[in-house]
Amino acid sequence: QVLLVESGGGLVKPGGSLRLSCAASGFTFSDYFMIWIRQAPGKGLEWISYIGGSGTDTNYADSVRGRVTISRDNAKNSLYLQMNSLRVEDTAVYYCARDGSNYSPDHWGQGTLVTVSS
Amino acid sequence: QSALAQYASVSGSPGQSITISCTGTSSDVGGFDYVSWYQQHPGKAPKLMIYDVSTRPSGVSNRFSGSKSANTASLTISELQAEDEADYYCSSYTTSSTLVFGTGTRVSVL
Repeated sequence: QVLLVESGGGLVKPGGSLRLSCAASGFTFSDYFMIWIRQAPGKGLEWISYIGGSGTDTNYADSVRGRVTISRDNAKNSLYLQMNSLRVEDTAVYYCARDGSNYSPDHWGQGTLVTVSS
Repeated sequence: QSALAQYASVSGSPGQSITISCTGTSSDVGGFDYVSWYQQHPGKAPKLMIYDVSTRPSGVSNRFSGSKSANTASLTISELQAEDEADYYCSSYTTSSTLVFGTGTRVSVL
């Protein structure tokens, strides 16, 4: 079965950096777009970024563009999100998800919490 | 890109039908048949319930159905059950090649 497991979250100071990882299994990883989505405490879902199967097609939300880089290692079935210049408002649970069809995340990880605080 | 507009809450009694709406613009909901709906229980990851406006993934109850008219998409839950109590979010592909989510609707079963 499809399984996505995020890791790398934690407490970081404003201006700091963090790299999130997502380990995928149960499907042919390189065949799928992958997506990062976040949810601030008590708030709604916010799309952050996507990456195509080969890794060359990427896009970012305006709220993180220039501060965040999405990447993948198909040999390791892994997705990454490098986050720099973190702000308090980046505090959220970060989910990785598989794009099953036409930008519809059909499988989600359990999420990893990122807390940006001094 | 502004979030798609959803009513904050909707409630219904067991056995009733309810409809949740999701309003966007011609640059998102109205421009593509790439609207999805997700169910999220407290402390859990979202679950895909509908994609491509009206298609149910395997394993999702046929009590859930989706539709779209112009810039507004809708999710209908028929024969409401206690387990349907959750937050529901819509999403749409956009002309900027991004994904935008709705503000979310909390469904309460009375």
